[in-house]
Amino acid sequence: EAQVTQNPRYLITVTGKKLTVTCSQNMNHEYMSWYRQDPGLGLRQIYYSMNVEVTDKGDVPEGYKVSRKEKRNFPLILESPSPNQTSLYFCASSPTGNHEQYFGPGTRLTVT
Amino acid sequence: GESVGLHLPTLSVQEGDNSIINCAYSNSASDYFIWYKQESGKGPQFIIDIRSNMDKRQGQRVTVLLNKTVKHLSLQIAATQPGDSAVYFCAGVSGSARQLTFGSGTQLTVLP
Repeated sequence: EAQVTQNPRYLITVTGKKLTVTCSQNMNHEYMSWYRQDPGLGLRQIYYSMNVEVTDKGDVPEGYKVSRKEKRNFPLILESPSPNQTSLYFCASSPTGNHEQYFGPGTRLTVT
Repeated sequence: GESVGLHLPTLSVQEGDNSIINCAYSNSASDYFIWYKQESGKGPQFIIDIRSNMDKRQGQRVTVLLNKTVKHLSLQIAATQPGDSAVYFCAGVSGSARQLTFGSGTQLTVLP
């Protein structure tokens, strides 16, 4: 089944404790992206990657890191999480040049 | 950057009626507009898109209308069904990186 998977789906952590949210797609898509979703703000892009080893900042990159060492994986790294990063996070992928993005199921992160 | 917003945060319709969800955008940078549906606990799912040089596009039970003069976008759902209950987002696509800029969403509730 073609899909985007994220892990974990739910995470509660404390301020400053490094964490990684994994994202993997099995559709051989070149483009991958991370979004955060907050009430009243819709989805905002954090980082995106056009292909392996190519990443770029989205609209709200502060406090996040990403890497794209393999085509299928695009982990989101929070080196020192803070409470304002409490949010619902979505990973998405698409073939290059195609704007129809396929979204993962989401990761709900709470930072206390 | 471009902002994309919605007129109403919530919309309730009777089962079998037609639904119209509206969206406004602030500038003309987007070359595509997309409607996404997000069911509770899931990631956004692509519904339909429209190129910026088009006025109308129809899909299965859905129609998207684009009025560039007033920078307005709408999604019409025919014969709304309980399974249509979800949050609907419009998004503009722009740039070589095909970045999505999302609106804040409208919660559609279908009443029996």
